[in-house]
Amino acid sequence: IAGITQAPTSQILAAGRRMTLRCTQDMRHNAMYWYRQDLGLGLRLIHYSNTAGTTGKGEVPDGYSVSRANTDDFPLTLASAVPSQTSVYFCASSASAGAGNEQFFGPGTRLTVL
Amino acid sequence: GQNIDQPTEMTATEGAIVQINCTYQTSGFNGLFWYQQHAGEAPTFLSYNVLDGLEEKGRFSSFLSRSKGYSYLLLKELQMKDSASYLCAVRDSNYQLIWGAGTKLIIKP
Repeated sequence: IAGITQAPTSQILAAGRRMTLRCTQDMRHNAMYWYRQDLGLGLRLIHYSNTAGTTGKGEVPDGYSVSRANTDDFPLTLASAVPSQTSVYFCASSASAGAGNEQFFGPGTRLTVL
Repeated sequence: GQNIDQPTEMTATEGAIVQINCTYQTSGFNGLFWYQQHAGEAPTFLSYNVLDGLEEKGRFSSFLSRSKGYSYLLLKELQMKDSASYLCAVRDSNYQLIWGAGTKLIIKP
């Protein structure tokens, strides 16, 4: 693999179900991010990790959790999905959390919660 | 609060020049990014400005004025493949990116 991969590509989920979105990068980047993108709104940060073993809350963390057990993987879990979590989810990474470092994005997961 | 403003949509003609503006109000400033996003795809990096002035990269240039909280992305010699959304993002005092909603650019032949 090269870059960032996300799985699944798309998913339809019943409300109340638990769901984990997977994200893996092979660039040895220290920092990783989860965003959601909704029509008419900018990308909104859900959670981030500046380095393996640490995580932080972004702008819209409620209803989501993350873990960063190693450098490569950064899964996002919805404990009990609700319809307002219908969105496109992007995972991103950067070499570090420093100022000039661009973020590289995965292809996204389109999630529909019914 | 933090705010990034961009026009929602712009239309331009193939071969022409278009300027996409971005104004921002954020808690701190640690650089401004422009990304391109084709429909149904992931954003991809275009440019980064941290000092005032113009950064040129081929057909694309990006300008920054920190005192005015203003940036623009200039696209020259427009091609049909430039039809996409262009996202402006500012890195704030916490080193997190604050994103604008994006400008959808439509190129007509």
